[in-house]
Amino acid sequence: QVQLVQSGAEVKKPGASVKVSCKASGYTFSSYYMHWVRQAPGQRLEWMGWINTANGDTQYSEKFQGRVTITRETSATTVYMELSSLTSEDTAIYYCARYWNDGYGYTWFDSWGQGALVTVSS
Amino acid sequence: DIQMTQSPSSLSASVGDRVTITCRASQNIFTYLNWYQQKPGKAPKILVYAASSLQNGVPSRFSGSGSGTDFTLTISSLQPEDSATYYCQQSYSTLLYTFGQGTKLEIK
Repeated sequence: QVQLVQSGAEVKKPGASVKVSCKASGYTFSSYYMHWVRQAPGQRLEWMGWINTANGDTQYSEKFQGRVTITRETSATTVYMELSSLTSEDTAIYYCARYWNDGYGYTWFDSWGQGALVTVSS
Repeated sequence: DIQMTQSPSSLSASVGDRVTITCRASQNIFTYLNWYQQKPGKAPKILVYAASSLQNGVPSRFSGSGSGTDFTLTISSLQPEDSATYYCQQSYSTLLYTFGQGTKLEIK
């Protein structure tokens, strides 16, 4: 079965960077894009960006452009999300989510990692 | 950006009740609308995609409808395990996927 297993919780100081991993199993890794979505305390889900796991192409939300980098390691079937210049507003749970395209133009996030809590505090 | 607005923000209902949650998009998104269920401490789970298609394995008491700017998620007979927060998400704009603010559903 599809599994997305993320790295553990992190505590970072303002100005630092964090790198969260997402290891995929149970399916052909390079056949599906992977997205990152975050959820700050009491806030709605917020989309950050995606990676084409086949060729490494990426697209990011304008909000995070310049601060976020999504990469993949195909041999390890793992996707990474690095966020830099952290502030307290980046305190959130970060999720990876597999992107499903039904071939008719409809898409959704069909499998999610368990989430990784990133706390930014001095 | 396409803004998604859900109503109500929270509601309380009894087992067996019919419950409806509404989601409104700031522009026409046709039927590019998904619904997710999130329980405390867990990741979201897809319930409905393309506005009205039920994801495999989701109980048939869940249904979605709507097109354009107005959408609804209906639970026909509320069960205790349906206590959760529900989010709508538009997939029309692939440059920026956006979610509603969520509807917290509690069982009386």
